[in-house]
Amino acid sequence: KAGVTQTPRYLIKTRGQQVTLSCSPISGHRSVSWYQQTPGQGLQFLFEYFSETQRNKGNFPGRFSGRQFSNSRSEMNVSTLELGDSALYLCASKGQGADTEAFFGQGTRLTVV
Amino acid sequence: AQSVTQLDSHVSVSEGTPVLLRCNYSSSYSPSLFWYVQHPNKGLQLLLKYTSAATLVKGINGFEAEFKKSETSFHLTKPSAHMSDAAEYFCVVSDRGSARQLTFGSGTQLTVLP
Repeated sequence: KAGVTQTPRYLIKTRGQQVTLSCSPISGHRSVSWYQQTPGQGLQFLFEYFSETQRNKGNFPGRFSGRQFSNSRSEMNVSTLELGDSALYLCASKGQGADTEAFFGQGTRLTVV
Repeated sequence: AQSVTQLDSHVSVSEGTPVLLRCNYSSSYSPSLFWYVQHPNKGLQLLLKYTSAATLVKGINGFEAEFKKSETSFHLTKPSAHMSDAAEYFCVVSDRGSARQLTFGSGTQLTVLP
């Protein structure tokens, strides 16, 4: 079956703009999580959505937001972009069960100039 | 609260020699533990997972890890390194106290020398 799909793969934006990233989870998975990966901070949890509801949230400013649709596809939005938002943004989907592993997409590389 | 410490940021081995990547965790509950690998400009791929069954876990590509509760460790090993193993490796913990949120270690960059 198809894996987790993230679009676009690469994005260049200027400071102050906003950006929307998309994630399509594995078919049947209802949990979608987003992570930011930078060389300095490593992998940091942004938020998790389950059945269209935000279930967990990391320690990021309100400029970072997300949503999930009824087909489990998710989007994350970053407003008023800053240079420090340049990162690889990874999406992961999980199936049912407390101990199931997360499956990751290839990520969206965002560069803010 | 849960946390993960990867004890080495960089490990370098020669092809054909054993690999050991060290991971210690902290968890207030019975944790689930994972190792993921990331090749350059790629997403993360699951190598193996521990979820309170057998303490010695076998994964893909010849990797295995042993869960040692007394030492709070989950070290990743492979008997013989291959050039294609060169990548970054992440140890990950989740427990019910954190609503099963994943917490990542800082990563270990593995270099395999010819």
